[in-house]
Amino acid sequence: GNSVTQMEGPVTLSEEAFLTINCTYTATGYPSLFWYVQYPGEGLQLLLKATKADDKGSNKGFEATYRKETTSFHLEKGSVQVSDSAVYFCALIVYNQGGKLIFGQGTELSVKP
Amino acid sequence: SAVISQKPSRDICQRGTSLTIQCQVDSQVTMMFWYRQQPGQSLTLIATANQGSEATYESGFVIDKFPISRPNLTFSTLTVSNMSPEDSSIYLCSVVYNQGYTFGSGTRLTVV
Repeated sequence: GNSVTQMEGPVTLSEEAFLTINCTYTATGYPSLFWYVQYPGEGLQLLLKATKADDKGSNKGFEATYRKETTSFHLEKGSVQVSDSAVYFCALIVYNQGGKLIFGQGTELSVKP
Repeated sequence: SAVISQKPSRDICQRGTSLTIQCQVDSQVTMMFWYRQQPGQSLTLIATANQGSEATYESGFVIDKFPISRPNLTFSTLTVSNMSPEDSSIYLCSVVYNQGYTFGSGTRLTVV
């Protein structure tokens, strides 16, 4: 079946540090991949996405590249800010298999000034 | 992307009672889903709300506990029935629109 595995949190970084949150997936078919972010007390927001191999999604300084050979979609940011503190969810969807979005367990990021 | 209005945003309910959550979308959508996010955990799909037919439930979720209505392509409800403290969670509806996935702001339910 389809599944997503993320690195465990919480991740604590100092402001301006480099961020990597690992995400690997298992899927039958050709998934689209997503990163969602949930800020404290708020709903889920789409951060970025990639729909095919070697695509790079980017938004707000975050990037992730769809790597089919390693079945990965790691989230990176060169210089984090305190305002990036949130929970990040990696997810996949295979549209021709019912369109269900499958989430990883989430990784909490805490950025200290 | 589609805009979703979900209500109530939060509620505190007595055990044994039921709560109905509403999800209104500003566009007609074929696919609508209900998720649960238990405290400190990821999102788990409860069911797919099908317009004009019974919802499709995921393993571990049953219609008697989580009845769902989908009367048209812009609206759905999820009822959490006979609640217990273990049902305390955030419940979210979501839709697929133009191959994009949009979430409602969620309903934070506390059962006491």
